[in-house]
Amino acid sequence: EVQLVESGGGLVQPGGSLRLSCAASGFTFSNFWMSWVRQAPGKAPEWVANIKRDGSEQYYVDSVKGRFTISRDNAKNSLFLQLNSLRAEDTAVYYCATGYNWNDAYDYWGLGTLVTVSS
Amino acid sequence: DIVMTQSPDSLAVSLGERATINCKSSQSVLHSSNNKNYLAWYQQNPGQPPKLLIYWASTRASGVPDRFSGSGSGTDFTLTISSLQAEDVAVYYCHQYYRTPFTFGQGTKLEIK
Repeated sequence: EVQLVESGGGLVQPGGSLRLSCAASGFTFSNFWMSWVRQAPGKAPEWVANIKRDGSEQYYVDSVKGRFTISRDNAKNSLFLQLNSLRAEDTAVYYCATGYNWNDAYDYWGLGTLVTVSS
Repeated sequence: DIVMTQSPDSLAVSLGERATINCKSSQSVLHSSNNKNYLAWYQQNPGQPPKLLIYWASTRASGVPDRFSGSGSGTDFTLTISSLQAEDVAVYYCHQYYRTPFTFGQGTKLEIK
């Protein structure tokens, strides 16, 4: 059974940093493109970033470029998102998700981890 | 960026009746090389992640009841629930995965009349 379990969320002040993790199991992690999708309270999901199977390519939505970094450790079946220079508008539930290829729909989602940016 | 616009924002339908949700993309999401529409539909319940219902605009995901169907091509798409059940109350989103940044519609809240 495919499982994606996010962790690392919490309350952080504006300008602060967090590192989110996603532990994957039940599939061959290194064969899949992986993504982060966030959802602010009461809003639609927003795609944040994705990363190639071997980690050699990463793509970001403009609003997080230069502040967020997606990475992965295939040996540990783990996906990461480093969040720097956080703003109030980054407050959201952050989900890891996958659909195999970079341009596939997302079959699998974690339950998410909540990031709250507030003073 | 490709903007996804859903209509209506909310919808109330009687049990057993048909529900129809529309989604329009600002650019075509039909890939000429494989004739596939890079359009998905998700269902989301409170406190849960989105659940994939339909991909390639009209292919049902595994385990999705056949009362759910997707149609459309290019820029105009429709999700239809043929006979509404109580468990279908949720928010529905369309999603284009044709080009990054991948984008979602604003959502349609489906309720029982």
